[in-house]
Amino acid sequence: EVQLVESGGGLVQPGGSLRLSCEGSGFTFSSFWVIWVRQPPGKGLEWVANIKPDGSETYFMDSVRGRFTMSRDNAKNLQSLQMTSLRADDSAVYYCASGGNLAYWGQGTLVTVSS
Amino acid sequence: QAAVTQEPSLTVSPGGTVTLTCVSTTGPVTSGHSAYWVQQKPGQAPRTLIHGTSNKHYWTPARFSGSLLGGKAALTLSGAQPEDEAEYYCLLNYNGPWVFGGGTKLTVL
Repeated sequence: EVQLVESGGGLVQPGGSLRLSCEGSGFTFSSFWVIWVRQPPGKGLEWVANIKPDGSETYFMDSVRGRFTMSRDNAKNLQSLQMTSLRADDSAVYYCASGGNLAYWGQGTLVTVSS
Repeated sequence: QAAVTQEPSLTVSPGGTVTLTCVSTTGPVTSGHSAYWVQQKPGQAPRTLIHGTSNKHYWTPARFSGSLLGGKAALTLSGAQPEDEAEYYCLLNYNGPWVFGGGTKLTVL
């Protein structure tokens, strides 16, 4: 069974950090881009970042560039989104998606930035 | 970064046909944007219906089709069903970065 599972969300104070993980199973995780998408409460989907299969290229949306970084460990089928200097407007459900032509999506993990 | 615009809402009758469109602020949408269409129902994770402008995943109902129409990406639903009521997002690639449209809330009524 194919699965993508996000983890690491939670409540964090403004200026704090969180590390989200995306773990794939049931498909060749190492062969595909991973993208992160977020959805603030009651709002639309927003592309955040993506990373190449071998980790050699990453792209970030303007508002998170310089604050978010990505890495992946294909031996563990794991990809991470490191988020620092978090702001209230980073609060959202964060989804990862991967597989051929974004075939697979996780169920999301909630990040809340609040004091 | 570029912005992508969609109709905020559309209504279609059961069995009817509707076309959702996706416009890029940088110019015409082309095959190079590899347009995706993503469906999201309330309380659920997104699901990709269309990739590469017009290609379907195996789970995509045949009544959905993707195309380029007058410089826009388009998603056409022919023979709408009640279960097609959802939010639909287009997603365009800009040589690395991606951008979502604001979404179209489709009502089947």
